[in-house]
Amino acid sequence: GQNIDQPTEMTATEGAIVQINCTYQTSGFNGLFWYQQHAGEAPTFLSYNVLDGLEEKGRFSSFLSRSKGYSYLLLKELQMKDSASYLCAVRDSNYQLIWGAGTKLIIKP
Amino acid sequence: TAGITQAPTSQILAAGRSMTLRCTQDMRHNAMYWYRQDLGLGLRLIHYSNTAGTTGKGEVPDGYSVSRANTDDFPLTLASAVPSQTSVYFCASSDDDTDTQYFGPGTRLTVL
Repeated sequence: GQNIDQPTEMTATEGAIVQINCTYQTSGFNGLFWYQQHAGEAPTFLSYNVLDGLEEKGRFSSFLSRSKGYSYLLLKELQMKDSASYLCAVRDSNYQLIWGAGTKLIIKP
Repeated sequence: TAGITQAPTSQILAAGRSMTLRCTQDMRHNAMYWYRQDLGLGLRLIHYSNTAGTTGKGEVPDGYSVSRANTDDFPLTLASAVPSQTSVYFCASSDDDTDTQYFGPGTRLTVL
């Protein structure tokens, strides 16, 4: 079967750095997405990785290792508004997105 | 630009009743999707449409139907609602070039 694993919940301090991991086992791989979802709102696109390595976009970076079936989202200089769920999704061989259950990130002052 | 709109925002529905959730996008995206999101589970694909006039079944299609008469609209119909269909429903469309999905604000449905 297809599976995306992420931690259920993480806590971090304002101003700090946090890394949210995602491991996947899917039938084929055609890219990995990270989305942010604030409570009661829709998911919004953060990043996309299809090749191994690090993609940096401001305070957010995303890393991919296809051989290990592994990605992480790195958030720097955490702000209170970063409190949200972070969803990892993998596009499989049929170009369908398989979604993880999401990681709820709690930021404390 | 409105992006994707969904209606209604929320609804309480008696079991056995039918209901159509509306979704409209103004980005001229070819592909559209319906997901349900339940606590502790990832987004699960109900139905999708790669282009106007075509539809396909996702992971959890039972009890739901869709149509795609034109590019902009992708309604989801529950023919006879059951309590297990209580969920938050998101409609999405994807950019033709990057395949990035963009989501509507969601419909919170409660079936009693």
